[in-house]
Amino acid sequence: AQSVAQPEDQVNVAEGNPLTVKCTYSVSGNPYLFWYVQYPNRGLQFLLKYITGDNLVKGSYGFEAEFNKSQTSFHLKKPSALVSDSALYFCAVRDIRTNAGKSTFGDGTTLTVKP
Amino acid sequence: DTGVSQDPRHKITKRGQNVTFRCDPISEHNRLYWYRQTLGQGPEFLTYFQNEAQLEKSRLLSDRFSAERPKGSFSTLEIQRTEQGDSAMYLCASSSFRASGRNEQFFGPGTRLTVL
Repeated sequence: AQSVAQPEDQVNVAEGNPLTVKCTYSVSGNPYLFWYVQYPNRGLQFLLKYITGDNLVKGSYGFEAEFNKSQTSFHLKKPSALVSDSALYFCAVRDIRTNAGKSTFGDGTTLTVKP
Repeated sequence: DTGVSQDPRHKITKRGQNVTFRCDPISEHNRLYWYRQTLGQGPEFLTYFQNEAQLEKSRLLSDRFSAERPKGSFSTLEIQRTEQGDSAMYLCASSSFRASGRNEQFFGPGTRLTVL
């Protein structure tokens, strides 16, 4: 079984400040981890993924995420938030062993960046 | 624009009616997924295809739901005898399968179903 928890429904930050959106996961084997962003009335857009290698992964729009195996976490970060980053963010996990492609998503975190 | 298209974007129907949604994936992608998303939740996996073969179905996919991908290109999701609980956003995604399912999925804009 695989699962994802996004413990914060909402994150509020001021423009220019660093942001963190938290994600923890559970899988039987090793994980593939993904972050997606969803804007109103739009489909999910891929931001970044961790497959293997460096624990710090860089993605689109200046976002990055750090894989921490001991804490089973994959927090999304950005050094300086923009108002345009305001959106709904989803973390997703896939178990490497199943090779099935089925992803399990968290319930999402709404990020609001205030000017 | 991700390249995955879904039709229709919105569907309003009466309880008990049948509805069918279509998804056109990115052309070179051989994997196609259906998810359901309700307000305040993340997408929930329904089923997926590799080429024309349906490889996995969620327990969420009751007997009233059926999905097809007859030629390994577009897919349809049909819901028979709709119920108010079927109201949700139905998302389609596609990906290319190269190695160990490591590729990200590209999502369409979704079909919002409202059952009255």
